Amino acid sequence: RKEVEQDPGPFNVPEGATVAFNCTYSNSASQSFFWYRQDCRKEPKLLMSVYSSGNEDGRFTAQLNRASQYISLLIRDSKLSDSATYLCVVNVSGGKLIFGQGTELSVKP
Amino acid sequence: GAVVSQHPSWVICKSGTSVKIECRSLDFQATTMFWYRQFPKQSLMLMATSNEGSKATYEQGVEKDKFLINHASLTLSTLTVTSAHPEDSSFYICSALNPAAGYEQYFGPGTRLTVT
Repeated sequence: RKEVEQDPGPFNVPEGATVAFNCTYSNSASQSFFWYRQDCRKEPKLLMSVYSSGNEDGRFTAQLNRASQYISLLIRDSKLSDSATYLCVVNVSGGKLIFGQGTELSVKP
Repeated sequence: GAVVSQHPSWVICKSGTSVKIECRSLDFQATTMFWYRQFPKQSLMLMATSNEGSKATYEQGVEKDKFLINHASLTLSTLTVTSAHPEDSSFYICSALNPAAGYEQYFGPGTRLTVT
């Protein structure tokens, strides 16, 4: 079993749609959680950290359920510029990040 | 904001040669840096953790004699791919922990290595 698993994708959605990504992790001792965005042939960029209380940043909402070891990302009102690969990332200890395989999102006009 | 640079951004080399990739933290001191590798259509895989002044810690399955890591200063870590082969062709990305920013991790822009 992979340490971090994500929806396989790709997700093809029209502009304005709401899209949700799911992720599960296997290490119950994981310390912190993130969503990263990676554009083609670029390095990943931090989108947002994920907290148990849930957190929102504009059109993006992230949620963490430690009991279920489940992480989610919701994107509302999708824009063309949201097209990218979204990576679920878990810090297992001391900054050591484990990346999910990523879910590709394509937002169409 | 904090910036991490990598050099070179891309490199093409012949099979059997060695390639050195540099990772620099430009405006902060990083006691810990990480090296990742990403093959096409796959996610980033952690190769090793590089600590300033000590030996790197390699992930399972990563050959330490093939991927030499040196972290000689608080702002520079290098990864040398020795005797490169076509299967080593990949996107190599480093990251650095910024202790002054709650140990937030900053990624370099990556180095695309092609071995012919």
